[in-house]
Amino acid sequence: EAGVTQFPSHSVIEKGQTVTLRCDPISGHDNLYWYRRVMGKEIKFLLHFVKESKQDESGMPNNRFLAERTGGTYSTLKVQPAELEDSGVYFCASSQIRDQETQYFGPGTRLLVL
Amino acid sequence: AQSVSQHNHHVILSEAASLELGCNYSYGGTVNLFWYVQYPGQHLQLLLKYFSGDPLVKGIKGFEAEFIKSKFSFNLRKPSVQWSDTAEYFCAVNAQTGANNLFFGTGTRLTVIP
Repeated sequence: EAGVTQFPSHSVIEKGQTVTLRCDPISGHDNLYWYRRVMGKEIKFLLHFVKESKQDESGMPNNRFLAERTGGTYSTLKVQPAELEDSGVYFCASSQIRDQETQYFGPGTRLLVL
Repeated sequence: AQSVSQHNHHVILSEAASLELGCNYSYGGTVNLFWYVQYPGQHLQLLLKYFSGDPLVKGIKGFEAEFIKSKFSFNLRKPSVQWSDTAEYFCAVNAQTGANNLFFGTGTRLTVIP
């Protein structure tokens, strides 16, 4: 069974540019989460989808971040315009409805904003 | 608000030494507890989890953790570490009811010297 995949693995952009991160959850996992780790700090929750609906977006830092999950499969997280403080590793995780507490993580996307 | 504290940022051990990584959490309700590991160049993997029952839980690769409710602690242990245990270890919690997003500690980097 394929795990959670994320694309790209790395992204280097300039301040003010736009970046879109993609996450493909494990097939059949209705729950999809985005997390972020800023260097040296803890991994922090951004938002949670159940299928295509946003269940909880309380962790989104501001309105420069937009997450979508059209069709309830893969998800994208767009940062527009990117700022220096957006640099970090963005993780995606997924879980099944019947065992939603156990989340499986992707490898992360390392974003560097210059 | 939930929070997780990992007391050690970097631990260096020789092979065969015993390991104990501390984790304390703060939350007003009932929680699920997790330890995740990230080996160099790999994604976060679940080591073990505690939901209820026996407070001593065993995970993969010889790791175990003990939930002590009175101390709000969930320390990770391994009797004899190997070089291949070199990784970053994360303690995490989520609520048993309501939102199930994970709250992470800042991580502990373990280096095992052969």
